[in-house]
Amino acid sequence: RKEVEQDPGPFNVPEGATVAFNCTYSNSASQSFFWYRQDCRKEPKLLMSVYSSGNEDGRFTAQLNRASQYISLLIRDSKLSDSATYLCVVNLDSSYKLIFGSGTRLLVRP
Amino acid sequence: NAGVTQTPKFQVLKTGQSMTLQCAQDMNHEYMSWYRQDPGMGLRLIHYSVGAGITDQGEVPNGYNVSRSTTEDFPLRLLSAAPSQTSVYFCASTDTGDPNTEAFFGQGTRLTVV
Repeated sequence: RKEVEQDPGPFNVPEGATVAFNCTYSNSASQSFFWYRQDCRKEPKLLMSVYSSGNEDGRFTAQLNRASQYISLLIRDSKLSDSATYLCVVNLDSSYKLIFGSGTRLLVRP
Repeated sequence: NAGVTQTPKFQVLKTGQSMTLQCAQDMNHEYMSWYRQDPGMGLRLIHYSVGAGITDQGEVPNGYNVSRSTTEDFPLRLLSAAPSQTSVYFCASTDTGDPNTEAFFGQGTRLTVV
């Protein structure tokens, strides 16, 4: 079983749609959680950290459910520029070693 | 503001050749790491370093060596390239002190081994 699992998609949605991605992690000792964004043939960049209380950044909302060991990302009012691969990332302990999911691809169409 | 710089961006090697992928950061970060990314898979950790003079293995270290003589540089060496090492390689650096801190990635090196 992969340590971090994501639906690979692609999610194909019209502009303005709301789309949600889920991610599950296997190690209950995981301490830090993130969503990174990766554009085609580019490096990953941090989209947002995910906190236990949930957090929001503009059109993006991240949630963490430690009991069920899943993380979610909600994108409201999708823009064409949101088209990318979204990587769910977990930090197992107090080190800085990151465990990546394989990514969920989002395509936003006009 | 350079951040993390990787060279080269593209490389083609023949099986058995060796080479070094360069990585440099100008943010004075203690933690640096190397990942490889294969199609349909997430990034996998090859080696990492928590500071100058200290390195350790990640998930997929076989066939790679690293060294960390300075805070700024963290080169990755392929000892004898194999087709299975065809991949995209990313170097990252992280400011230590907060596990929630962002990892900054270089632009990647696309390596093909023929």
